[in-house]
Order: sequence, then structure tokens, then C-alpha cells
Amino acid sequence: GAVVSQHPSWVICKSGTSVKIECRSLDFQATTMFWYRQFPKQSLMLMATSNEGSKATYEQGVEKDKFLINHASLTLSTLTVTSAHPEDSSFYICSVSSSGSGSGDEQFFGPGTRLTVL
Amino acid sequence: GDSVTQMEGPVTLSEEAFLTINCTYTATGYPSLFWYVQYPGEGLQLLLKATKADDKGSNKGFEATYRKETTSFHLEKGSVQVSDSAVYFCALHTGGFKTIFGAGTRLFVKA
Repeated sequence: GAVVSQHPSWVICKSGTSVKIECRSLDFQATTMFWYRQFPKQSLMLMATSNEGSKATYEQGVEKDKFLINHASLTLSTLTVTSAHPEDSSFYICSVSSSGSGSGDEQFFGPGTRLTVL
Repeated sequence: GDSVTQMEGPVTLSEEAFLTINCTYTATGYPSLFWYVQYPGEGLQLLLKATKADDKGSNKGFEATYRKETTSFHLEKGSVQVSDSAVYFCALHTGGFKTIFGAGTRLFVKA
């Protein structure tokens, strides 16, 4: 299956600063990547679908101006949390789908990035 | 809309006990069903999947059967180990790009 990496794996920042998280598909050209947010002891919440070369599609309730997503190449998508606040502290996970359309496709997940905003 | 419902955890078992984690779903069309596992401090990884009714997915001693008549995909393992302690997510995929996840069930296995 696809190997997905994220960087950094862990970041602490001050309130008001911006943080960029990278998601790389190491052995698979991903036209579509997904960004999830996971709160402690809770399920994954899909934040947005990142499409290579076009604007991301955000889920209802997710502020697109706060969570900037860029998918500039088939192997890299970035999530930037702008003007981070303590309530943005969370575990952010990206994934890629094994292909574009089939219903049997699994997703391959990155290891996640833990963001702590002080 | 499509949804997945899992039994609430945490589930605490002794080593070698039998495990069942219930999962039911609602979906239009014919979804594929998945179980993902998340070990402490790690991302999710696929445990098993089934793409059509009556299919049985299996991996690492875990099994789940796609039951269309009961819209269920319960996860079972005959003898759990301490290393199975993790959070287990049931999920469905109806095509397109979105995967719908259940809330997750945390499993603790005691030695």
C-alpha cells in the first residue's frame, strides 16, 4: 500500500502564530488527499478534501481561512493553521485514497501531527 | 446520510479472551466496509475490509463478516493479546472520496 508521511510529528507553538503541516505520499501519486482532525478519545473528523492543482473542498463548519490547504503536487499537501489558538490543539492526520473512484478503496493514513498551542 | 455506529468503549479484556466489537451502518447504495486500528501514538492503519455482502475480511486473527440483512460488520477475535490494545474504528466507503468513520472503540487487554 501507499506510504504516507507527515512532518512534523509534534509541534508546540505560541498562540497567534501559524503552523504548517506537511503530508507526503512517498510512493504513490495522489490526486486527492484528505485532512482529518482527531480530538482525544474521539473519532476522526474530516476537515477537507485536498485536490491537486485546485482548491480544497472544506467540510461544513471548518473555517477555510483558518485552515489553509495547498496541494501543489501529486505527492505533497500542506495544512497551515493560521493564527493558532489553544482550541486548535489537536491531532491532525492526513490520508490518501488508493484510487479515485472504486468503492473498495482503502485509505492510507499518515502517522499524524500533534499540535499543541500554548 | 450515511453513518456508522460502534459500541462504546472502553472494552477491557484479559489476555486470551474472546473479543467482539459491534458495528452497524446506514448507507445508500452498496458500501465497502472497513476496520481500521490505531495503536497508541500512531496513525490509523487498515486492519481488514469487505467489499460486498457475505464477504469476510480477516487479518491478524481478526475477522468481520459483511451482513447486508442486518447492516452489520462486527469485529471478532478468538483470543486477544496485550498487543491488541488499541482503538478500533469501523468505517464505510460508498465510492467517491469520503470515508465515514465510527466513533472508535478503545480496547484494553490485561496480561
